[in-house]
Amino acid sequence: AQTVTQSQPEMSVQEAETVTLSCTYDTSESNYYLFWYKQPPSRQMILVIRQEAYKQQNATENRFSVNFQKAAKSFSLKISDSQLGDTAMYFCASGHSGGTSYGKLTFGQGTILTVHP
Amino acid sequence: EAGVAQSPRYKIIEKRQSVAFWCNPISGHATLYWYQQILGQGPKLLIQFQNNGVVDDSQLPKDRFSAERLKGVDSTLKIQPAKLEDSAVYLCASSLARAYYNEQFFGPGTRLTVL
Repeated sequence: AQTVTQSQPEMSVQEAETVTLSCTYDTSESNYYLFWYKQPPSRQMILVIRQEAYKQQNATENRFSVNFQKAAKSFSLKISDSQLGDTAMYFCASGHSGGTSYGKLTFGQGTILTVHP
Repeated sequence: EAGVAQSPRYKIIEKRQSVAFWCNPISGHATLYWYQQILGQGPKLLIQFQNNGVVDDSQLPKDRFSAERLKGVDSTLKIQPAKLEDSAVYLCASSLARAYYNEQFFGPGTRLTVL
């Protein structure tokens, strides 16, 4: 079974500053993807960034980057130059690559990020 | 491109009543997912469809929950009878194909309150 743990229920950051959200996971699968999804207040959940487990290079999407530590099973999200629109709940998730659960996402509990002006 | 549509957006019912949710995925997306998101928790998969067939319903409480995806497009999720612990947001998502690396596109959700 896969588990995803986000140990920070809430985080806050000042506009233009950098913040890092933590995530640890556990899986028995040899190949998998990890994701960060963003759920703004009263809006739909959207994909922020994803990382393939076999790739050593950390994924980057504009102001968003990840620090993927495979041996430590850690997958943190760094947001640079934080903007007010980054205020949201952020979910770390892993994608199942085997068995009947193939394609399923297992989500962490989420971290509420508030960006202050 | 239109996103994933869900209705209704909000529903309040008494316990033991029945309720149904509707989802229309992005056109051309073969895989459809229903998630349950209890307040303060991450979404939990209830059921996964590939076209009009169920591929994973291991987390679906089958004594009260049912779902179908007719003609491999729209889907409905039903709860009968509802319990207090069913209060949650029900999210529908779709992806181009069933793959662990694919992005899932989420709808706005239906917020269910069971009194």
